[in-house]
Amino acid sequence: AQKITQTQPGMFVQEKEAVTLDCTYDTSDQSYGLFWYKQPSSGEMIFLIYQGSYDEQNATEGRYSLNFQKARKSANLVISASQLGDSAMYFCAMREGRLLTGGGNKLTFGTGTQLKVEL
Amino acid sequence: DAGVTQSPTHLIKTRGQQVTLRCSPKSGHDTVSWYQQALGQGPQFIFQYYEEEERQRGNFPDRFSGHQFPNYSSELNVNALLLGDSALYLCASRPLGQYNYGYTFGSGTRLTVV
Repeated sequence: AQKITQTQPGMFVQEKEAVTLDCTYDTSDQSYGLFWYKQPSSGEMIFLIYQGSYDEQNATEGRYSLNFQKARKSANLVISASQLGDSAMYFCAMREGRLLTGGGNKLTFGTGTQLKVEL
Repeated sequence: DAGVTQSPTHLIKTRGQQVTLRCSPKSGHDTVSWYQQALGQGPQFIFQYYEEEERQRGNFPDRFSGHQFPNYSSELNVNALLLGDSALYLCASRPLGQYNYGYTFGSGTRLTVV
């Protein structure tokens, strides 16, 4: 069974500093995808970044990068130059197994990390 | 371009009642999933629809059912509501064949069962 573990319930970071949010996963599948989502207090889940299990390079999207260490089964999110607007809940998620056409591919989420950016 | 639209935004129901939540996927998206997010938890997968059929289902009882319409919109129905059904219900959509980016989520329907 899949499992996503986020061990940091809450994190604080100073504005303009970088912060790393931890995520480890457990799966027996060789093909999988890893996602990070941001959830502000409004409730909407905002997609940040994606890493495929066969991707050789770490994914980057603007200020977000994913530190993918396949052997250690970790997929940590790095946010550079933190901004006050980055304060939110952050979820790591995994898509199980190989890509399926026509459906399937549910996401399994961790319990999240509440990030607070301070002045 | 509107994203995923969910209605209503908030709902209060009495234990034992039935509820229907609605979702319009993002334009160009044809696969719709539903998730339940209890307070302080990550979202839990309920089921996914494609071509008006349920394609995958999570560990939820039969009280949870759904439907997808020809225009790709979807409904989530919950019968015989329990207090434990109180949660944020999120709808997510994606286009078939584009897997390398995230599902687009709506802002959710917050259901309170009293």
